[in-house]
Amino acid sequence: DTAVSQTPKYLVTQMGNDKSIKCEQNLGHDTMYWYKQDSKKFLKIMFSYNNKELIINETVPNRFSPKSPDKAHLNLHINSLELGDSAVYFCASSLPFGQRNEKLFFGSGTQLSVL
Amino acid sequence: EDQVTQSPEALRLQEGESSSLNCSYTVSGLRGLFWYRQDPGKGPEFLFTLYSAGEEKEKERLKATLTKKESFLHITAPKPEDSATYLCAVQAAGTASKLTFGTGTRLQVTL
Repeated sequence: DTAVSQTPKYLVTQMGNDKSIKCEQNLGHDTMYWYKQDSKKFLKIMFSYNNKELIINETVPNRFSPKSPDKAHLNLHINSLELGDSAVYFCASSLPFGQRNEKLFFGSGTQLSVL
Repeated sequence: EDQVTQSPEALRLQEGESSSLNCSYTVSGLRGLFWYRQDPGKGPEFLFTLYSAGEEKEKERLKATLTKKESFLHITAPKPEDSATYLCAVQAAGTASKLTFGTGTRLQVTL
């Protein structure tokens, strides 16, 4: 059983299109995240949700909109895709930070290529 | 702003050749320092959390240590299966669940 699963694994699209990435976790965690990893392998947080409530929004363009229908799912919708959006996007989940067991469990990533 | 710098960027070792990876950090009140391993095409996998200077944690051939300015990941007698990118991250006090990552050390262990 995959703990954190995200789809699709690969996404190739044209500039200007709108796309979504889906994420689901079966660990019973309350907190979920989206991270972006660029071509230099730098991993940067984009959003964090705790029990469906947005708690971190790291100066991400408005074209990126996360949606959490329930605490096991966190989807990422991207409007008007740009070349610079090409990267690997990782979903992750954890127990709420502060419980001293807050290790992140990551999905396997979605490689987005904007042409 | 919190910063994490990892060195070296890449490291090539022969099997059995021990070495250390460095993670230097600047953070306004460290709440925790994390080590992750990332294999190509996969998400990072948790290794250790360290909370205070002087703390050490071990797992198989890996040992992580922490001082007030840096952390080391010591690899003893590595095997080819230890080849991966090792990522360090910090969480500052009062930053909810936000981790700031370094760019990693790419380790290759050859026979």
